[in-house]
Amino acid sequence: EPEVTQTPSHQVTQMGQEVILRCVPISNHLYFYWYRQILGQKVEFLVSFYNNEISEKSEIFDDQFSVERPDGSNFTLKIRSTKLEDSAMYFCASSSFSQKNEKLFFGSGTQLSVL
Amino acid sequence: AQTVTQSQPEMSVQEAETVTLSCTYDTSESNYYLFWYKQPPSRQMILVIRQEAYKQQNATENRFSVNFQKAAKSFSLKISDSQLGDTAMYFCAFRFRNLIFGKGTKLSVKP
Repeated sequence: EPEVTQTPSHQVTQMGQEVILRCVPISNHLYFYWYRQILGQKVEFLVSFYNNEISEKSEIFDDQFSVERPDGSNFTLKIRSTKLEDSAMYFCASSSFSQKNEKLFFGSGTQLSVL
Repeated sequence: AQTVTQSQPEMSVQEAETVTLSCTYDTSESNYYLFWYKQPPSRQMILVIRQEAYKQQNATENRFSVNFQKAAKSFSLKISDSQLGDTAMYFCAFRFRNLIFGKGTKLSVKP
């Protein structure tokens, strides 16, 4: 089965630094998502992206966050100035359609640790 | 706002036995979808089963089945003939627009 690939699997950064989390969605998918999971808490929706623009974002996705599809294969999440509370597992997902029953394919996640 | 609640942080079951994981949700919508995702130690999120709210028939996928009670807003997952490879975190999720997850249940299958 095709896979969503995320790199790196674990990233450590200093508070205030910028980080970029990378994802390679499944090649024929059109809809892309970022979720995050703080340790011991729920998996939370951050943002969805379609046709080179954000289609929806949550309250968590403030001005410190941005997403980009810089080429035909990568989908990135940038955090401009990391805070301690940004420490979490970040999951990328993609789907071929946006219908509500459509299966989202998730990557294995990037564990971000902000020190 | 929609919420998803999984009241069992951890569960264990003997190999070959049956286990049921609970999930309740809250929504004012009538047309939505429900999912169970599995997250093994590899951390990948794998879709186990999905249910459409307008369908009364409970979904089944091999050893996995759901008990969907729309009026009670309940969506439990039953795993029959549990296998060691079923050991994982299990997340219940609701989708009206975006996917909303519960906090998960850690299932351990013991030999």
